Amino acid sequence: KQEVTQIPAALSVPEGENLVLNCSFTDSAIYNLQWFRQDPGKGLTSLLLIQSSQREQTSGRLNASLDKSSGRSTLYIAASQPGDSATYLCAGPEASGSRLTFGEGTQLTVNP
Amino acid sequence: EPEVTQTPSHQVTQMGQEVILRCVPISNHLYFYWYRQILGQKVEFLVSFYNNEISEKSEIFDDQFSVERPDGSNFTLKIRSTKLEDSAMYFCASSGGTGNEKLFFGSGTQLSVL
Repeated sequence: KQEVTQIPAALSVPEGENLVLNCSFTDSAIYNLQWFRQDPGKGLTSLLLIQSSQREQTSGRLNASLDKSSGRSTLYIAASQPGDSATYLCAGPEASGSRLTFGEGTQLTVNP
Repeated sequence: EPEVTQTPSHQVTQMGQEVILRCVPISNHLYFYWYRQILGQKVEFLVSFYNNEISEKSEIFDDQFSVERPDGSNFTLKIRSTKLEDSAMYFCASSGGTGNEKLFFGSGTQLSVL
């Protein structure tokens, strides 16, 4: 059964700082991993999807990596802005099947 | 950009009552999902739906729950007899043709069971 954990649970940084969010998963047969953003009281927005054949994906100031052998993924945010303040969730599928298992999330606050 | 829409945004009900949560997935998507998030807890998978049938369900999705795609656009989650512990934010999601693509989530229905 897939288990996903995220550290840290919360992170507060000054504007402009580069930061890394961490995600660990137990089932290395994962075939993709997604990073989501959740704003308070809102739905989840998919940020990046990394396929198992890829090592990283980039979108603007975001870069996500996937290392199946170590069971880790990271989300790198460059030049953070106050608008990046949100909860960031990673999620991975079971080896077979369609369900995603989510981590607890990292609550990010970027201070102006 | 296409989006998943959910109605209502908030639903308050009495314990034991039936509720139906509604979703309109993105029009050309083929995979549909329900997830929920109890306040302060992780997002949890409930059920996935493909080709007009349930493809996978979790332990949470017991006989009190059912899903339906009554027409070509709507996707519903019914809870027959709500319990206090069903109080949560319920999210509908959809993805494209392979099931190995980004998941697009709706903004959720906050269900409160009194």
